[in-house]
Amino acid sequence: ETGVTQTPRHLVMGMTNKKSLKCEQHLGHNAMYWYKQSAKKPLELMFVYNFKEQTENNSVPSRFSPECPNSSHLFLHLHTLQPEDSALYLCASSQAASGGSSTDTQYFGPGTRLTVL
Amino acid sequence: KQEVTQIPAALSVPEGENLVLNCSFTDSAIYNLQWFRQDPGKGLTSLLLIQSSQREQTSGRLNASLDKSSGRSTLYIAASQPGDSATYLCAVPTGGGNKLTFGTGTQLKVEL
Repeated sequence: ETGVTQTPRHLVMGMTNKKSLKCEQHLGHNAMYWYKQSAKKPLELMFVYNFKEQTENNSVPSRFSPECPNSSHLFLHLHTLQPEDSALYLCASSQAASGGSSTDTQYFGPGTRLTVL
Repeated sequence: KQEVTQIPAALSVPEGENLVLNCSFTDSAIYNLQWFRQDPGKGLTSLLLIQSSQREQTSGRLNASLDKSSGRSTLYIAASQPGDSATYLCAVPTGGGNKLTFGTGTQLKVEL
């Protein structure tokens, strides 16, 4: 069992809905990540937060809005999504997301399976 | 742009067989390479991390090798068991920091 939890585990929403995904890590880490995993495609990094500050936005559409109120919690707010946004959304954490030769292993949560109708 | 490829995409073997999973990457300027395991409906579990200065890393029945110059890594699983059935992913850091670029994975099924 990992120290990273995600809720809800499954979510079905219409294109006009607003919903939020939650991630919590109990590992004392300072960096948190959102990834998207679509069928038949590699995991795609979406956002990186380091010490509560966003350090990476991988050209993610504005209908995805991340929030990191503290180093232990990460949210992904969803608004007016499209059917192609249906995917498994994974959260991860690590000690830090420093530049250079970081060797910190990322610990992943179980993911939220999102279906957009 | 770093691209990571894994071959084969799927593999089915009988229990007890030794097997090799392959990972290749286009930009050899990497600091490390990681192998992860993903069970259906679950997140990823880190299996092995090989530093760029290392040639291999071992954990139990798993052995990962790294050849930076050729842009390749292999994951060797000895004496496979049904519990090894999962998707195996390799990943390399990209662009500094701890951003990872993942391969598409190899889906392994070990049959009784």
